[in-house]
Amino acid sequence: DGGITQSPKYLFRKEGQNVTLSCEQNLNHDAMYWYRQDPGQGLRLIYYSQIVNDFQKGDIAEGYSVSREKKESFPLTVTSAQKNPTAFYLCVSSLGLSLPQPQHFGDGTRLSIL
Amino acid sequence: GQQLNQSPQSMFIQEGEDVSMNCTSSSIFNTWLWYKQEPGEGPVLLIALYKAGELTSNGRLTAQFGITRKDSFLNISASIPSDVGIYFCAGQPDMDSNYQLIWGAGTKLIIKP
Repeated sequence: DGGITQSPKYLFRKEGQNVTLSCEQNLNHDAMYWYRQDPGQGLRLIYYSQIVNDFQKGDIAEGYSVSREKKESFPLTVTSAQKNPTAFYLCVSSLGLSLPQPQHFGDGTRLSIL
Repeated sequence: GQQLNQSPQSMFIQEGEDVSMNCTSSSIFNTWLWYKQEPGEGPVLLIALYKAGELTSNGRLTAQFGITRKDSFLNISASIPSDVGIYFCAGQPDMDSNYQLIWGAGTKLIIKP
């Protein structure tokens, strides 16, 4: 079955530590996105990528980094510079950036501070 | 940045009741999307609207793209327990960059026992 897989489902970060969230899709989608979700707020865009080896900052990119070395994979690193990393992180893929394109969501990774 | 005002924040309803929620924006949107999210999962697309005035149904769900292009509503008829969850609206602003969705803060639907 085609889909988008995020791992791990739960992740704990120590102070000063970088952690990486995995996102893999086998839908042959070009575009991938990372959103952050906080309680009582809408989703906010961290980074997005239209094509391999290219990515752009979203609204809240500070303290995060990404890579897109393969079409299927778009890992997100939460660096120690992100002072409030506790949130639910959602990875999304779509055929292209232009709407209307169905957006496929992963099941999310919940990141907490130890 | 741009924001969507989604209301109500939460709703307590009896099974069988109809539900209505809406999103408004201060600027024009090209596309309105309605999603449902259940705990620990990603949002699932319910209805997509692409034209002002468009009214679209998906089973017991009906959504409309407002004529002014600044609002949208979602109705759920005859609610059932599995309707529980958080409903989000998302819209694409009418601007050059066509990648970004702006999200509402969600409406949490709770069914009274």
